[in-house]
Amino acid sequence: AQKITQTQPGMFVQEKEAVTLDCTYDTSDPSYGLFWYKQPSSGEMIFLIYQGSYDQQNATEGRYSLNFQKARKSANLVISASQLGDSAMYFCAMREVASNDYKLSFGAGTTVTVRA
Amino acid sequence: KAGVTQTPRYLIKTRGQQVTLSCSPISGHRSVSWYQQTPGQGLQFLFEYFSETQRNKGNFPGRFSGRQFSNSRSEMNVSTLELGDSALYLCASSSSTGGAGGYTFGSGTRLTVV
Repeated sequence: AQKITQTQPGMFVQEKEAVTLDCTYDTSDPSYGLFWYKQPSSGEMIFLIYQGSYDQQNATEGRYSLNFQKARKSANLVISASQLGDSAMYFCAMREVASNDYKLSFGAGTTVTVRA
Repeated sequence: KAGVTQTPRYLIKTRGQQVTLSCSPISGHRSVSWYQQTPGQGLQFLFEYFSETQRNKGNFPGRFSGRQFSNSRSEMNVSTLELGDSALYLCASSSSTGGAGGYTFGSGTRLTVV
C-alpha cells in the first residue's frame, strides 16, 4: 500500500502568491516523522521542513509551513510569497520510527511552476 | 560545513558492465542511505548503513550491493548493468535517528546504461 500520497502532479502559481501542496500518509506507527524536500532540475534533494508525530505545533521554516492534521493523516506544505526560484519538484516523505527500517518513504512528487 | 558529496555526477555505462558509486556523508554522520530515482518508479530505497553495518535493504536484486567504510564513506555497486538501471542515484546522510535533524542528500549520480 502506498504510504505517502501526493495527488497533485503539477501546479502553477503566480509569483508572490501562496501555494499549498497536498500530502496524505498512511501508517500505524504512533511515532513517525514527516519531511518535505525540494528537488530542482539539478537533481539535489533539498530539505525544507520536518514535523514529528508528537509535535504539538505546526512546523515553520521561513516561507515554508507545514499544515499538520494528525487525525486526517495530512501534512500539507504551504509556501508563502512564491518566488521564481521555487519552481521545482516537491516531495513529501515519511520515516516510521518503530519499524526501525531506517528509510524514508516518498510520495510521487508535485511539480511547481512559478509564473512571473 | 561540507555537505554530502557524491561522485561521479554523471556516468555512462554499457549493458553488462558494473559500476561503483561513492558517497561521502556530512562529517559526524554515521548513517548513509541510498535511493534510486526513476521517472516510472519514483524514489525507491536501496539500503542503509550505520557504522559499517547494513541495517536495511530495499526490494532490489542482488546485483545491487553496498558497503560502508570506517570513515562512514559509502559505496554502492551495481553489477551486470541493465537498461532499467538508468536512474538518478541519491545518497543521504543522517546523524543516527534521522529525526528533526533530517536526512541531507547529495546532488546524486546520474547513471545512463546504453
